[in-house]
Formats: sequence, C-alpha cells, structure tokens
Amino acid sequence: DADVTQTPRNRITKTGKRIMLECSQTKGHDRMYWYRQDPGLGLRLIYYSFDVKDINKGEISDGYSVSRQAQAKFSLSLESAIPNQTALYFCATSDYASGNTGELFFGEGSRLTVL
Amino acid sequence: GDSVTQMEGPVTLSEEAFLTINCTYTATGYPSLFWYVQYPGEGLQLLLKATKADDKGSNKGFEATYRKETTSFHLEKGSVQVSDSAVYFCALTMIYNQGGKLIFGQGTELSVKP
Repeated sequence: DADVTQTPRNRITKTGKRIMLECSQTKGHDRMYWYRQDPGLGLRLIYYSFDVKDINKGEISDGYSVSRQAQAKFSLSLESAIPNQTALYFCATSDYASGNTGELFFGEGSRLTVL
Repeated sequence: GDSVTQMEGPVTLSEEAFLTINCTYTATGYPSLFWYVQYPGEGLQLLLKATKADDKGSNKGFEATYRKETTSFHLEKGSVQVSDSAVYFCALTMIYNQGGKLIFGQGTELSVKP
C-alpha cells in the first residue's frame, strides 16, 4: 500500500458543485501539503499544515479550503468548483527532518475535471 | 519573489544520448536545490539535491551541480534509457524559513526512444 494515499484518483464534476479531495498518510509525518499541477506551470502550493492545529495558506489558496482532521489526514475542499480548477492535485508529506532537507513524499495525485 | 525557471520541453532523445535539462533560479539568500522526477501516472519523487554552493547531487546516473555564480542547477545524464522517460522538476526551498515548502519550476518532459 502507498504511504500517501489520495482519494478519489479521478473525478469529473460540474461547475458549482462542492468537491472534497482526501489525503491520508502512514508515514507518521507532521507536515502535510496540497499542491496543484497545471501543464506549463509546474506545481503550486495551495495549503500546508505543520500539525493538526497549524494550517497556512500557500501561493494559490483562493477558492479552496482545508481540514486537518488528524495527524494522518488532510482534506482539500472546493466549495463551489469552477472550470479553471481543473487540474491534477497532489498531497505531500514531510517530517521535521525531511522537511528541513526539502524532501517531500507525494501521493499519486487526484485528477479533477470541472465541466 | 523566489522562482525557478526550466528549459521548455518536451525533450526527445534516443537511447544512450547525453541529457541536459537547464534550470536557473532566483532567490534571496541561499536556497537548497532539488530535482524531482514524475514517472507516468505517479507522484513526484526526489531524484537528487544540493544544499550549498558547489555541491554535486547525484542519483541513478543523474548529476547536478549547485552553481551560485550562475544561479543554476542543470541536470545531466551521460546515457539515457527508455526508463528515464518522465517529467523532471527543478525546485528550491529556503530550508530554515520555509519549513519544507518547495518552489517548483514548470517541469520538463523527457521522452527517450529506443
């Protein structure tokens, strides 16, 4: 089983719908991140969390919200999806040591299409 | 702000050819530099890293040297294989004040033909 698991892996939805992407990890890491990948733009940070009580906005947080339900779980929500949120979304984790060396551990991605 | 710029892809090479993927960065202070690789259908994984000027990161036959004077971290491999086909991302972080937040380049797709 993957250390960082994202669900769903693929989702097609309509404009205005609420969508939740979930991430769970078995690595025991404190830090969790949500990134968005768009062709030609690389990965951009949406939100990150250093522990259950610490949540921070990233570069492109508008239109998104997150919930850190437990150390191992970090969910990303789109309250009212719009077509330009069509992208590949990645969850990543790190602990203090690996985070301070820049090594993140990524899930396999959730591909979201908003029609 | 801090940023990373990579050469545009896709890059198509024949097996055993020499690979260079250019990466330059802009940062205040002294970043750590990384190459991540994304194989088809998978998440990103760390390929190599360098944390200070003149360091050389290496892994799986790939190398990159941290050049402070040219603000570059170009990825090289002497002889590519079909299995190296993937998207490669250059990234940076300011370790002690960004807590692991990475800034990524736009990615360079590599396709290696038999």
